[in-house]
Amino acid sequence: KNEVEQSPQNLTAQEGEFITINCSYSVGISALHWLQQHPGGGIVSLFMLSSGKKKHGRLIATINIQEKHSSLHITASHPRDSAVYICAAAETSGSRLTFGEGTQLTVNP
Amino acid sequence: DTAVSQTPKYLVTQMGNDKSIKCEQNLGHDTMYWYKQDSKKFLKIMFSYNNKELIINETVPNRFSPKSPDKAHLNLHINSLELGDSAVYFCASSRTLAGTMKQFFGPGTRLTVL
Repeated sequence: KNEVEQSPQNLTAQEGEFITINCSYSVGISALHWLQQHPGGGIVSLFMLSSGKKKHGRLIATINIQEKHSSLHITASHPRDSAVYICAAAETSGSRLTFGEGTQLTVNP
Repeated sequence: DTAVSQTPKYLVTQMGNDKSIKCEQNLGHDTMYWYKQDSKKFLKIMFSYNNKELIINETVPNRFSPKSPDKAHLNLHINSLELGDSAVYFCASSRTLAGTMKQFFGPGTRLTVL
């Protein structure tokens, strides 16, 4: 069992829908990272959070430390949001990131 | 200007060969990383360096040897390439070693071993 679990593995949505991707982790963390991998392969860091909630444009990330759970929400989804979204736990022991398996999101027009 | 750059972007080679992948960051960061992404797109840490010092060395075959000539560069040399080494290798950097630091990723190097 992976220390970082994501769900769903695949998600197909219609343009405009509200999307939620979930991430659960079993290790002690200093922070939880959300990454986006574009179809072309590049990886971009979206959020790094250790408590509460962060918002950037249509993207919102939340974390519940007690429940060891984080969610990434996309409001008013758009086809350009189609990508793989990856959560990664930064362990308290250092900078090591442990990755989830990723969620492939496809937003259809 | 590209923040984290890797060369080459694609690398196709025969089993048994030795190859290197180069990584450079112009962000002034102290910490650099190598990650491997397998065919199922699963990312895994291989190495991390902080101020040219090896910090993380995961269970990686000895055929993989990282080298950091200075803080801005972290190269990956692979000896005696095997079919299972085919993957995408990402370099990344962060300001410091702390897990609370955002990481910046290079574009990746797709290695294909024939």
